[in-house]
Amino acid sequence: QVQLRESGPGLVKPSETLSLACAVSGASISTSYWTWIRQPPGKGLEWIGYIYYSGSTTYNPSLKSRVSISIDTSNNQFFLKLKSVTAADTAVYFCARVEGGVAVPETARWFDPWGQGTLVTVSP
Amino acid sequence: QSVLTQPPSASGTPGQRVTISCSGSTSNIGNNYVYWYQQLPGTAPQVLIYRNNQRPSGVPDRFSGSKSGTSASLAISGLRSEDEADYYCAAWDGSLSGRWVFGGGTKLTVL
Repeated sequence: QVQLRESGPGLVKPSETLSLACAVSGASISTSYWTWIRQPPGKGLEWIGYIYYSGSTTYNPSLKSRVSISIDTSNNQFFLKLKSVTAADTAVYFCARVEGGVAVPETARWFDPWGQGTLVTVSP
Repeated sequence: QSVLTQPPSASGTPGQRVTISCSGSTSNIGNNYVYWYQQLPGTAPQVLIYRNNQRPSGVPDRFSGSKSGTSASLAISGLRSEDEADYYCAAWDGSLSGRWVFGGGTKLTVL
């Protein structure tokens, strides 16, 4: 079955760039959209953005100026970069596959499966 | 504040039926599908209901989803202890160039 695993530094200093990778196994990354979602400690979920294997991206407008999602089809992984981080960016970051098809409108898509998540703390 | 509004908590006893509401607007729930995710303690969310009322294979038929206007509901019948989790609704929101939005989550306690 499809599995995703996030990796990256657990601690990032304020004003620096948060960088995470998501390794996909059990499926080719060239078959779907892939997404990042975060969850601040004790709070709800926030969608960050997603990417298609072609490199086409869609970002949450609230984060668009600071976020970049890229993909490496050769190694079946995709990446998240979030620049100029503050304490408000402290969260568990999840990667997930976008289900529902690639030729359907966004409303018809959902997120499944998810990786286990990785906690990133922004602190001096 | 989350774009979609859910009650912060809900509870029930084993065997009971509980419902969790999710309220939005015409830019999200009113004109788009609703999704429900279950997050068991210490784990990642997993999809419970997709496209308003569809269950992925493996999800018991005790779980059902419905939508009316700008609101949606998740119903859980025959409540079991293992249903104790956080539940999130989600929908595409067509405003602000488009984005996925979630509810703040409802913590379900099985008494």
